[in-house]
Amino acid sequence: AQRVTQPEKLLSVFKGAPVELKCNYSYSGSPELFWYVQYSRQRLQLLLRHISRESIKGFTADLNKGETSFHLKKPFAQEEDSAMYYCALDQGGKLIFGQGTELSVKP
Amino acid sequence: EAQVTQNPRYLITVTGKKLTVTCSQNMNHEYMSWYRQDPGLGLRQIYYSMNVEVTDKGDVPEGYKVSRKEKRNFPLILESPSPNQTSLYFCASGSLGRSNEQFFGPGTRLTVL
Repeated sequence: AQRVTQPEKLLSVFKGAPVELKCNYSYSGSPELFWYVQYSRQRLQLLLRHISRESIKGFTADLNKGETSFHLKKPFAQEEDSAMYYCALDQGGKLIFGQGTELSVKP
Repeated sequence: EAQVTQNPRYLITVTGKKLTVTCSQNMNHEYMSWYRQDPGLGLRQIYYSMNVEVTDKGDVPEGYKVSRKEKRNFPLILESPSPNQTSLYFCASGSLGRSNEQFFGPGTRLTVL
């Protein structure tokens, strides 16, 4: 069955520290993966998608098919990065979300 | 402005009193979906629709109904709400096809007493 797993419910780092939010998936086809972010009291919004191979707000994510992972990374976390992050897998237009990881960046 | 709107944003109701949460999008998207967000459980899909008159169950459809009579609207209906349906609900829409972004509404916080 297709599934997305985010093993960490909460990740707490200090400002300036590197951050990595883990995402693992199970999918029988060629995966299309996304990261969505939800800032406090706001709606979810797309952060980045693997097909674009882009860096948004300093975040990057590389698809590793061998490890079936799509971890989100940022070398130097900022306080404004504090938010809920969701990894998602595209299943023919339908998104399957992970459980989410709350990132807390402390000053 | 391209957007997904939901109404109401906040609702407190009592067990058994039927309610409808509306969702509307102005981007001509084929795909629309409802999710509920609960602490520790993340986002769980309730129902989705690939186009007008085409709807399908998500992961947690029990206690919910939907309809898709027009492309822009996708209301969520709770015929007989129960306290375990207290949650934050999000509507989303997107174009069909691979790697397309989904756009989310602002959320509806529902409390069932």
